[in-house]
Amino acid sequence: ETGVTQSPTHLIKTRGQQVTLRCSSQSGHNTVSWYQQALGQGPQFIFQYYREEENGRGNFPPRFSGLQFPNYSSELNVNALELDDSALYLCASSLQTGGDYGYTFGSGTRLTVV
Amino acid sequence: GENVEQHPSTLSVQEGDSAVIKCTYSDSASNYFPWYKQELGKGPQLIIDIRSNVGEKKDQRIAVTLNKTAKHFSLHITETQPEDSAVYFCAASRGYSTLTFGKGTMLLVSP
Repeated sequence: ETGVTQSPTHLIKTRGQQVTLRCSSQSGHNTVSWYQQALGQGPQFIFQYYREEENGRGNFPPRFSGLQFPNYSSELNVNALELDDSALYLCASSLQTGGDYGYTFGSGTRLTVV
Repeated sequence: GENVEQHPSTLSVQEGDSAVIKCTYSDSASNYFPWYKQELGKGPQLIIDIRSNVGEKKDQRIAVTLNKTAKHFSLHITETQPEDSAVYFCAASRGYSTLTFGKGTMLLVSP
């Protein structure tokens, strides 16, 4: 059983640029959630994708957008990057049926905006 | 929405001692309470979880207790070891909905 994999592991971007982060979900999971973790803080929910549609969103502006593909992998896109977007971006996969509420997290992508 | 508060923010213990981390939540409809361990440079790893129909759960040196009336839950680690040093996060959710995390506790176990 494979876990959640994220790419790239590290990224440096300039303010105003756009970035795409990628996530492959754990085998058997059909839902992907994205979280932003600032230094010294707990993860903050960005949005969740289920059946290729957004299934919930946290308090993040529209310049944060995403996609889920038929194989349940996902992308997080951030436009017009700001310095405060510097954080660890975590992808978590889960299964929306069967009574298993658990999430499996990837190791994250460390984004630095300069 | 849900709000989760976690205490303490840092905890230093001697190897072999016990460590306790406490969390409170605000949404009485939350029914799933996982605990995650995050080591430097890694994503959070689930170490134990509990549902609202259970008051206590144990897994070797780790236990979690839940008090639904008071809306708080705690993580207990006994016989701590240096490899237990990490940041621990509590979280809460309603079933399949998103997790709301606490701000984390940095646990340092000294040999």
